[in-house]
Amino acid sequence: AQSVTQLGSHVSVSEGALVLLRCNYSSSVPPYLFWYVQYPNQGLQLLLKYTSAATLVKGINGFEAEFKKSETSFHLTKPSAHMSDAAEYFCAVTGNNRKLIWGLGTSLAVNP
Amino acid sequence: SQTIHQWPATLVQPVGSPLSLECTVEGTSNPNLYWYRQAAGRGLQLLFYSVGIGQISSEVPQNLSASRPQDRQFILSSKKLLLSDSGFYLCAWALTGGSTDTQYFGPGTRLTVL
Repeated sequence: AQSVTQLGSHVSVSEGALVLLRCNYSSSVPPYLFWYVQYPNQGLQLLLKYTSAATLVKGINGFEAEFKKSETSFHLTKPSAHMSDAAEYFCAVTGNNRKLIWGLGTSLAVNP
Repeated sequence: SQTIHQWPATLVQPVGSPLSLECTVEGTSNPNLYWYRQAAGRGLQLLFYSVGIGQISSEVPQNLSASRPQDRQFILSSKKLLLSDSGFYLCAWALTGGSTDTQYFGPGTRLTVL
């Protein structure tokens, strides 16, 4: 069965510092992987997705993620954090029956 | 382009009252539709999904129900709300037969049950 683990429910970085949000997955089939962002009281917005093409995926707002099959990881990074990046981030993997399996989310705080 | 609407945006209801939340999608046909709930400080819980009109799959036994009376309309209902039904309700759609199962979310409905 598929599963997703997001390490660290809360991450705090300084403005301008590297952002690293961790996601590990388990899947019995080649996975499709997703990162979504949620700002307070809003719906989820797709940041980027891995669909078995290039292993380094670039998304919106300067974020990117690298698919590492050997490590079953899909960590999200951004070289320089901005105050507007403060939000909740969710990692997901394709499951059965057209559903997504979700991580519990990581809350990112950006300090001035 | 496709858009997804949810209403109302916020709702405060007394315990024991009925509930109806509506979700509509524009710009696509025969989408897969999903209802999720987020309780305070917790992740996403899939409640229902639908692959077509009248076809509803329930993920979690509860006092909620879902219906899909039209191709692009998805309704979440309850006959009697419980305090534990409070949360943020999200509707999402995905392309039927899409290769990646990407889901696109609506703006959500904040439900407070008092």
